[in-house]
Amino acid sequence: QKEVEQDPGPLSVPEGAIVSLNCTYSNSAFQYFMWYRQYSRKGPELLMYTYSSGNKEDGRFTAQVDKSSKYISLFIRDSQPSDSATYLCAMNKGNTPLVFGKGTRLSVIA
Amino acid sequence: EADIYQTPRYLVIGTGKKITLECSQTMGHDKMYWYQQDPGMELHLIHYSYGVNSTEKGDLSSESTVSRIRTEHFPLTLESARPSHTSQYLCASSAPQDFNYGYTFGSGTRLTVV
Repeated sequence: QKEVEQDPGPLSVPEGAIVSLNCTYSNSAFQYFMWYRQYSRKGPELLMYTYSSGNKEDGRFTAQVDKSSKYISLFIRDSQPSDSATYLCAMNKGNTPLVFGKGTRLSVIA
Repeated sequence: EADIYQTPRYLVIGTGKKITLECSQTMGHDKMYWYQQDPGMELHLIHYSYGVNSTEKGDLSSESTVSRIRTEHFPLTLESARPSHTSQYLCASSAPQDFNYGYTFGSGTRLTVV
């Protein structure tokens, strides 16, 4: 079983839609949860991070962590064509390298 | 504006050649990483370093080596390139409190072995 599972999509939505991206994981020791965004031919960039369980909001983006279910989500409200990218979840136990999901490719159609 | 630089951006090379992928960062980060990324697949950790003269192996380390002689420089070497090495290689660095700031990635080196 892979440590982190993420549906690779692709996902195509109309502009203005609410997007939900999800990951599940198997290692209960994971404490730090991140979402990265990667544009074509670029390296990933940090979008959101969350420690342990709970919600975090930043503008149109909301990250949720449910440690009891080993499930994390990223919500994008009022999606824009500029949000078209690959979104990768990542997590670790603290002072260990991040473990990444496969990434979900999102296209927002104007 | 990138603070972590990878060269070359693209490389096509023949089987059996020795290659070194360069990675440099100007942020003074102690921690540096190499990941391999194939389309639709996870980033796989190849090697990482938590400081000068300190290197550790990741999941895909068996066919490559790294060195960390200077804080800012973390090159990856493939002694004998094979077609199975064709992939994108991403270098990243992080500050001690990386859970606050995450990793800073370079733009990657896309390697093709023919």
